[in-house]
Amino acid sequence: AAGVIQSPRHLIKEKRETATLKCYPIPRHDTVYWYQQGPGQDPQFLISFYEKMQSDKGSIPDRFSAQQFSDYHSELNMSSLELGDSALYFCASSLGTGIQPQHFGDGTRLSIL
Amino acid sequence: KQEVTQIPAALSVPEGENLVLNCSFTDSAIYNLQWFRQDPGKGLTSLLLIQSSQREQTSGRLNASLDKSSGRSTLYIAASQPGDSATYLCASVNAGGTSYGKLTFGQGTILTVHP
Repeated sequence: AAGVIQSPRHLIKEKRETATLKCYPIPRHDTVYWYQQGPGQDPQFLISFYEKMQSDKGSIPDRFSAQQFSDYHSELNMSSLELGDSALYFCASSLGTGIQPQHFGDGTRLSIL
Repeated sequence: KQEVTQIPAALSVPEGENLVLNCSFTDSAIYNLQWFRQDPGKGLTSLLLIQSSQREQTSGRLNASLDKSSGRSTLYIAASQPGDSATYLCASVNAGGTSYGKLTFGQGTILTVHP
């Protein structure tokens, strides 16, 4: 069965650079969530989209923005990168919000030098 | 604000033992509770999802229970195997307010099953 696809798998950037992470949800899933997992931490919710509209917002810095496109894939744009942004970034998708399980991608490991 | 706590933080057992992982949450107004497995540096694999109207779910050697009124869930693993070694995370989806399905995670239980 098709799963959530994230790209790239690994990304190395320097401070103050920008990065774009991509997420392709499971086919027919209309909801995408982004989470950030720092070293030794549990995943923290960043932002979500339902039917291409932002549906919820968590602890996402103003330097970050995201959107969901007409084909339901989503991109997380990160600017002015800081050392503290080094983390594993997960995307999850579901059919609708709340009731259905979320299925996670393998994540993008972002390292800031 | 929902807070999810998992006990114990780490657990080491010999192969073959039955074990229980605990998860508690402060706000009982949840849509569902989901258990995940995470291998080091890897993604999250969904194990079981319990809807708020359900008491338990089973998948193979795994059984998860939910007691909304007391704010608790348990994950029972029968006949543990070395391949079960991983971090187990529980996460709740809260109902109502402006929450639209975001997961609130506990900090996980690191399980080691030794041969």
